[in-house]
Amino acid sequence: AQKVTQAQTEISVVEKEDVTLDCVYETRDTTYYLFWYKQPPSGELVFLIRRNSFDEQNEISGRYSWNFQKSTSSFNFTITASQVVDSAVYFCALSEASNFGNEKLTFGTGTRLTIIP
Amino acid sequence: DSGVTQTPKHLITATGQRVTLRCSPRSGDLSVYWYQQSLDQGLQFLIQYYNGEERAKGNILERFSAQQFPDLHSELNLSSLELGDSALYFCASSEQGYTIYFGEGSWLTVV
Repeated sequence: AQKVTQAQTEISVVEKEDVTLDCVYETRDTTYYLFWYKQPPSGELVFLIRRNSFDEQNEISGRYSWNFQKSTSSFNFTITASQVVDSAVYFCALSEASNFGNEKLTFGTGTRLTIIP
Repeated sequence: DSGVTQTPKHLITATGQRVTLRCSPRSGDLSVYWYQQSLDQGLQFLIQYYNGEERAKGNILERFSAQQFPDLHSELNLSSLELGDSALYFCASSEQGYTIYFGEGSWLTVV
């Protein structure tokens, strides 16, 4: 069975600080996908990134970066120079790719990030 | 804007009633998913349809049912509602094997 663990329930940082959100996953599959979603106070789930298990290159998108380490089954998310608009709940999720067409997501419990102005 | 449209955005209903949530997937996406987000259960996968056929089932109660129509829109029917069914219900869609995009959700309050 798949499992995603986000051990940090809540994080508060002062604006402009860097912050890293941790994500650890468990799966028996060799092929899988990892995701991060953002849920702002308005409630919608916003897609941030999708990474497949064969691509361990780190990715950077503006102030966001992701560190995928298969050896430790982790897919951590760093926000550099945080801003108040980054305040949200962030979810890490895992999708199996072993059965093509069955891409249901297993979510972690989320990390509530508060950026203090 | 993800391109996934859900209606209604908010719904308040009484226990024992039945409601229908509607979802229009992104143009071209054949897969539709339904998820429930509640305070105690977190984000839970309910059910997936692909091109009109049920593809995968999660923790969906027997009081709940869904379908995907020929035009690919989907409906989630919730019946005999209980207080514990109050939650945010998400629809999502994807092109097979690719990123899953979520709608803005339907807030259901059962009183």
